[in-house]
Amino acid sequence: GNSVTQMEGPVTLSEEAFLTINCTYTATGYPSLFWYVQYPGEGLQLLLKATKADDKGSNKGFEATYRKETTSFHLEKGSVQVSDSAVYFCALRGNTGRRALTFGSGTRLQVQP
Amino acid sequence: EAGVTQFPSHSVIEKGQTVTLRCDPISGHDNLYWYRRVMGKEIKFLLHFVKESKQDESGMPNNRFLAERTGGTYSTLKVQPAELEDSGVYFCASKEEDTGELFFGEGSRLTVL
Repeated sequence: GNSVTQMEGPVTLSEEAFLTINCTYTATGYPSLFWYVQYPGEGLQLLLKATKADDKGSNKGFEATYRKETTSFHLEKGSVQVSDSAVYFCALRGNTGRRALTFGSGTRLQVQP
Repeated sequence: EAGVTQFPSHSVIEKGQTVTLRCDPISGHDNLYWYRRVMGKEIKFLLHFVKESKQDESGMPNNRFLAERTGGTYSTLKVQPAELEDSGVYFCASKEEDTGELFFGEGSRLTVL
């Protein structure tokens, strides 16, 4: 079945540091890949997505590239801000069978001023 | 426009009691999903409604869980009787038909003592 593995947190960074949150997946076929973010006290929000190999999703300074050869979708940001503190979830949706999202376990990011 | 709303935000009950969680999707969204996150682990799919019909309930853990969506509007998820391992955060999401994007509620945190 489908699965998503992401690095365990928490990740603690200073403001303006470079961020990488690793995500790898297992799936049959050609899934779509997503990053969701949950800010404190809020629901999950779609941060970015990529639907085919080599696509790059980007939003709010965050980027992730769909790498089929390494089955990865790592999240990066060049300079984090305190307001980026949140829990980040990597997810996939298969293109066959069940169409619901499969999530990773989430990575908590804490950015210190 | 109102987003996906969930009630209650937090419920604390004793083992053996019953709890009912409610989700109001974005108006006009036919597709509604329930997910849950247990013990800080990955967010797992529970079930999927299309209007009032259960499209996929393969993620429901056991028969103590009952989901309904009478009339195809709001949905309820009842846990009866609750067990300790049911503690977690229950998320609801509805899907925008044009883009396929999922919009999540803030979640209902359930604590079973």
